[in-house]
Amino acid sequence: QVQLQESGPGLVKPSETLSLTCTVSGGSVSSGSYYWSWIRQPPGKGLEWIGYIYYTGSTNYNPSLKSRVTISVDTSRNHFSLKLNSVTAADTAVYYCARARRSYHYEALDYWGQGTLVTVSS
Amino acid sequence: DIQMTQSPSSLSASVGDRVTITCQATQGIINSLNWYQQKPGKAPKLLIYDASNLETGVPSRFSGSGSGTDFTFTISSLQPEDIATYYCQQDDNLRTFGQGTKVEIK
Repeated sequence: QVQLQESGPGLVKPSETLSLTCTVSGGSVSSGSYYWSWIRQPPGKGLEWIGYIYYTGSTNYNPSLKSRVTISVDTSRNHFSLKLNSVTAADTAVYYCARARRSYHYEALDYWGQGTLVTVSS
Repeated sequence: DIQMTQSPSSLSASVGDRVTITCQATQGIINSLNWYQQKPGKAPKLLIYDASNLETGVPSRFSGSGSGTDFTFTISSLQPEDIATYYCQQDDNLRTFGQGTKVEIK
């Protein structure tokens, strides 16, 4: 069974960089069948797609966050990571990592981590 | 960017009722539309992919239809355990979620 687990600081100061890691078990980030994704959800609000990475290192980001986001993958450690710089209170959210199953004609987020709350506050 | 508009934003229905949620894209996305269920404090769960395909293990009372810009998600007979917020998501061009529909029991 595939499992994803987010880890990282739960509190980040304004203007600093938010850093999270998603460790994958029961599957490999080196598989060509998946994108590895980050999604966030501000308290009481809806879901926002942040971006994804392919095992080759190819990335795709939400245009509204693109200037501040970096997603990377470490195939040797079977994990992928999110960095979001210059954070403000608006970046306070539950951050989810997820696996996007892909085929030639569809893609869907089929496994998710439990989510981790990151609060931006001094 | 493609925007997704879900309606209604919330609904209240009785156990056994048929529930329908719609999702409209600002441009055609063929069938590149997924539906997720999120219960309070939990991660979303994939229910429907590629507009109408039921994910393995998901009860058959859930279904999806549509193509192009207009999509529908249906619960044929609402059960107490279906209380949740439902999101559509397009994967045709980048990725965008709808704003969610909160389903409650009347």
